[in-house]
Amino acid sequence: GAVVSQHPSWVICKSGTSVKIECRSLDFQATTMFWYRQFPKQSLMLMATSNEGSKATYEQGVEKDKFLINHASLTLSTLTVTSAHPEDSSFYICSASAPGTVNTEAFFGQGTRLTVV
Amino acid sequence: DAKTTQPTSMDCAEGRAANLPCNHSTISGNEYVYWYRQIHSQGPQYIIHGLKNNETNEMASLIITEDRKSSTLILPHATLRDTAVYYCIVRLTNFGNEKLTFGTGTRLTIIP
Repeated sequence: GAVVSQHPSWVICKSGTSVKIECRSLDFQATTMFWYRQFPKQSLMLMATSNEGSKATYEQGVEKDKFLINHASLTLSTLTVTSAHPEDSSFYICSASAPGTVNTEAFFGQGTRLTVV
Repeated sequence: DAKTTQPTSMDCAEGRAANLPCNHSTISGNEYVYWYRQIHSQGPQYIIHGLKNNETNEMASLIITEDRKSSTLILPHATLRDTAVYYCIVRLTNFGNEKLTFGTGTRLTIIP
């Protein structure tokens, strides 16, 4: 089946620094990818929709200048957490689907655990 | 997309069938029922989906009531590796490039 890969799996960074997370679709092209955030013992919350070749669409309450999304190719979307703070520590997950296909499911990356110290 | 209601947690003995219910009483005629699961510290994994007919694959069976207001995911022979949070999601389209809205899900614990 289709595979979505995230990198890194985990990262620890100092407060005030920026962290980039990559999401790749390995065997299909994805015009749309989604970024979710999950705090401990909570469900996944959609942060933004990443559109290849255009600006991302952010959910209400998500700061676009803090969470920069770049979807420069059909197989790669990146999420950069800028000026990270401890409250940004979370589990970040991306998903993608093969475009234009009927009866398909979303594939998720393995997630990236970000810890800001 | 319609809202879903699931029990917060369930236990099931290893080797027995695990039956996970989901209520989606406001589902509309063209909305699909999807099930995903999330094992601890991993991304969600697709299990199965359906519109109105019962569905079965190598992982599970999905039973949708005739009025489509509820469904049950059945794991026929639960193993310890099936311990996870199971999410029932109702979505409008059956195209893949749509966002998913996750509820709180059911935390299923398989007991040895």
